[in-house]
Amino acid sequence: AQSVSQHNHHVILSEAASLELGCNYSYGGTVNLFWYVQYPGQHLQLLLKYFSGDPLVKGIKGFEAEFIKSKFSFNLRKPSVQWSDTAEYFCAVNEGSGGYQKVTFGIGTKLQVIP
Amino acid sequence: DGGITQSPKYLFRKEGQNVTLSCEQNLNHDAMYWYRQDPGQGLRLIYYSQIVNDFQKGDIAEGYSVSREKKESFPLTVTSAQKNPTAFYLCASSTGLLSTGELFFGEGSRLTVL
Repeated sequence: AQSVSQHNHHVILSEAASLELGCNYSYGGTVNLFWYVQYPGQHLQLLLKYFSGDPLVKGIKGFEAEFIKSKFSFNLRKPSVQWSDTAEYFCAVNEGSGGYQKVTFGIGTKLQVIP
Repeated sequence: DGGITQSPKYLFRKEGQNVTLSCEQNLNHDAMYWYRQDPGQGLRLIYYSQIVNDFQKGDIAEGYSVSREKKESFPLTVTSAQKNPTAFYLCASSTGLLSTGELFFGEGSRLTVL
């Protein structure tokens, strides 16, 4: 079965620090990759996604992620975090193409940014 | 505004009672999903539906039931058979069979069983 691993469960950073959240998945076939974010009191929303093409994907609010197929990884990065980035971040993988596509989520990483 | 509406936001129930959580979407999406979110466990799929009058079990379907009589609606019933029902429940939708998997989420329903 597909699995998604997020290595950091709770991260605390000062404003302006750089961020990298790890994500690895187990499926060896065609995958679509996502990062979702849940700000305090808000619903989950898409941060960025990778379907094909350039493995470096840019999302909203200055976030980016790099798909490294050989490492089964899709790490999330931001050069300089802000207090408003405090949220929980979920990596997700959607395996296959066509038909029902099962989306599997990681357990999430809580990011706390200290002003 | 288009989106997904879940109700109620908070719900308290006694042990042994069935509870139904509502999920309505006006995005004209074919596929709908129910996830359960627990601290430290991420999101786990309970049930999903690709089209009206059809649905499939997800990874943790035991103790839950769903129906999909209308495209817009996908209610979840948490039955008394669910051993640990206290959780945060999230409903989501996507465009359907040819979807690339992007999910749109509601704001969630927090169920507490006393």
